[in-house]
Amino acid sequence: EAEVAQSPRYKITEKSQAVAFWCDPISGHATLYWYRQILGQGPELLVQFQDESVVDDSQLPKDRFSAERLKGVDSTLKIQPAELGDSAMYLCASRAPGANTGELFFGEGSRLTVL
Amino acid sequence: DQQVKQNSPSLSVQEGRISILNCDYTNSMFDYFLWYKKYPAEGPTFLISISSIKDKNEDGRFTVFLNKSAKHLSLHIVPSQPGDSAVYFCAASPYGYDQNFVFGPGTRLSVLP
Repeated sequence: EAEVAQSPRYKITEKSQAVAFWCDPISGHATLYWYRQILGQGPELLVQFQDESVVDDSQLPKDRFSAERLKGVDSTLKIQPAELGDSAMYLCASRAPGANTGELFFGEGSRLTVL
Repeated sequence: DQQVKQNSPSLSVQEGRISILNCDYTNSMFDYFLWYKKYPAEGPTFLISISSIKDKNEDGRFTVFLNKSAKHLSLHIVPSQPGDSAVYFCAASPYGYDQNFVFGPGTRLSVLP
């Protein structure tokens, strides 16, 4: 069964360091999302891509976060410098074109701990 | 300001009984709603959806009810099984399914054998 792949699964870093997360969506899924989930809260959208174009990055803290999807396939989310408050699960999701249910397929996530 | 609220952080139900998970929203532009289930150390998985043109959608043991006037939806699981123990997220989208989704904080369901 096709899956959304994310790496690394776990990342521990010190504040002020740079961190990067990678996501490979299900093949053929043009829409890709990065969500952040803080413990005890629901996922919050950071950025949405349609192919290689950013559709919505209004909630992305652009002073330290960046995201790219250069060839419209896999995507990278970067944080530089990391802060203590960035400790969270970073979830990548993709959606099939024209999907009637609007269902998002999520990866297993990348858990970030900033010390 | 939370646009999607799940006011019960946790719920315990006996196996075989009904589980009812509630969700309230404030944005009247939301017209498409989904429920996701999340096990520990896994990403959320889609469960069931409903659009605002319906007031009920059923899929096996899972039924979602939508009350637009009250801006309220609920997920019913009948009968509940131990494998249903997970965190359940309600998500809502404006302008149909093609937009991004706003998630609630989740409700942790425990189904006791």
